[in-house]
Parts: sequence; structure tokens; C-alpha cells
Amino acid sequence: QKEVEQDPGPLSVPEGAIVSLNCTYSNSAFQYFMWYRQYSRKGPELLMYTYSSGNKEDGRFTAQVDKSSKYISLFIRDSQPSDSATYLCAMSGTGGFKTIFGAGTRLFVKA
Amino acid sequence: GAVVSQHPSWVICKSGTSVKIECRSLDFQATTMFWYRQFPKQSLMLMATSNEGSKATYEQGVEKDKFLINHASLTLSTLTVTSAHPEDSSFYICSAPMDGDEKLFFGSGTQLSVL
Repeated sequence: QKEVEQDPGPLSVPEGAIVSLNCTYSNSAFQYFMWYRQYSRKGPELLMYTYSSGNKEDGRFTAQVDKSSKYISLFIRDSQPSDSATYLCAMSGTGGFKTIFGAGTRLFVKA
Repeated sequence: GAVVSQHPSWVICKSGTSVKIECRSLDFQATTMFWYRQFPKQSLMLMATSNEGSKATYEQGVEKDKFLINHASLTLSTLTVTSAHPEDSSFYICSAPMDGDEKLFFGSGTQLSVL
């Protein structure tokens, strides 16, 4: 079993839809949870950063962490064609943990 | 957010030559930097951890003599692919955390094509 599981997609949605992206993990020591967006042939860009459980909102993006279920989500409201990219979840812990990345979900938002 | 600059963006080289990729943290100091390799439609594969002032730590299966890493200063790490072969063709990305932070800031990546 991988430490972090993420459905690679692709996920195709119409413009304006609400997108839900998810990851599950197995290591209960993870405390820091991140979502990165990566456009083709570019480096990942940090979108959301959450410590421990709870929700965090930034514009059209909402990140949720449920540590009891070992499940994290990223919601994108009013999706735009410019949101078409690969979204990577990532997580780490304290004490020298390396950041572990999910496989990435490819998202296509159709105009 | 913090800025990490990576150069070059693209490099094409002949088989057997060496290629150097630079990664710079522009507005913060980074005692640690990470180097990744990414194949098409796949996630990031950590190759090594670059440590300022000491030897790099390589992941299992990564050849130390082939992928030379030098962390010359608090803002610069380099990855040299030595005696490159076509199977080394890939997208290479560096990242750096601000000291004491878990967030990683990534360079723009380098596409290496070995002919």
C-alpha cells in the first residue's frame, strides 16, 4: 500500500462546475498537508497549506483535512479553463519527515 | 511566496556529455534543497536531498556518481548529470523549503533530452 493514494484521473468537468479532488493516506504521523498545482512542463506551485485537521479557504479554493479518516480534499468552485492542470497532494510530518506526494490528478475544465 | 529559480529550462545534449542544472533560492536562504525527476504523466520522484556544506543524501536506486549534487552556498544547489544517455532524458525539478517551514517552493523545471 502506498503512503499516499490519489486517483490520477483524468477528470473532465464543464466550466463553472465545482471540482472535488481527494487523497487518502496511511501514516498517522503526517501533520502538514499541501496541495500543489502543476501546469504541463512547469514546476509545481503551492496552492494550499494546512496544519492538522480542519478547513482552509482561499478564494475559489477550499482545503479540508480529516485526520480521523486520513482523508484530504481540495474543492475548486466556479472552475475555469485556466484551472486545467495536474493537482498534487502532499504531506509531511515533524522530525525530519520527507514530503510525500500523491500521483497527481489531471483536471480538464472545458469552456 | 518564495521564489526558486532553475536554469536552464531546456537542454539538449549528445550522449556521453555532462549537463549541469542550477537551482537558486532568490529571496531566502535554503540549507536544504531537493532534486526530483518526473516522467510524463507521473508524479515527482525524489532523487536526492542537497545539504549546504555537506554531502547530498541520495534515494535508493539513484546513482551518486551519475547525478552529482553540489550545494555550494545557502542559495545555490547544482545537479550535474554525468555521461548522459538517452535513458536520462526526463524533466528534472528542484525545490527548497524556507528554513523551519514545511512548505516547498519549486523551480520551473528542466527538460533534458539526450540524443
